[in-house]
Amino acid sequence: EAQVTQNPRYLITVTGKKLTVTCSQNMNHEYMSWYRQDPGLGLRQIYYSMNVEVTDKGDVPEGYKVSRKEKRNFPLILESPSPNQTSLYFCASRGPSEAFFGQGTRLTVV
Amino acid sequence: AQSVTQPDIHITVSEGASLELRCNYSYGATPYLFWYVQSPGQGLQLLLKYFSGDTLVQGIKGFEAEFKRSQSSFNLRKPSVHWSDAAEYFCAVGPAGGGNNRKLIWGLGTSLAVNP
Repeated sequence: EAQVTQNPRYLITVTGKKLTVTCSQNMNHEYMSWYRQDPGLGLRQIYYSMNVEVTDKGDVPEGYKVSRKEKRNFPLILESPSPNQTSLYFCASRGPSEAFFGQGTRLTVV
Repeated sequence: AQSVTQPDIHITVSEGASLELRCNYSYGATPYLFWYVQSPGQGLQLLLKYFSGDTLVQGIKGFEAEFKRSQSSFNLRKPSVHWSDAAEYFCAVGPAGGGNNRKLIWGLGTSLAVNP
């Protein structure tokens, strides 16, 4: 079954404490993305990767890092989280047609 | 500029009534078109997609959408809404083919409420 798995589903952390949200896909897709979803702003792309070791900024990259050491994994790293990064985050993987999404990570930074 | 517009931020319909959610896009080339649904607390699920051919496409859960090239629209329809259809609906467009850049352009979503 085609699947994108991200963890954790929920996370509450304090300002400045580094965290990583993991994302893994089993479809051998080259293209993967991270989005954040905020009320009234829709889905905004944070970073994307077109292949292993190939990553680039999306529309709202400030405060985030990513890495792509293997095709299946695309972790999102917040080196020093701030309250304005409180949001719902989605990892997505896209092949030749549609995108597949993870279940989301609801992050709260206090 | 590439963009997707969903003119209706919020729609309320009665259960059993028909539904149409609007989507207009601006895109340089012929895009792939998608509708996704997000139920409360869930991820995004593909409802249907259009690549080419018949401009009326059928999706899951009884939804359909019609591609109108002349109007740059891809409206989503359902003849009879069920209470379980209450959700957020997103329209998206993206490049056709298998190139490296597969970025999707998203509308802001339409929130659907269903009255019993």
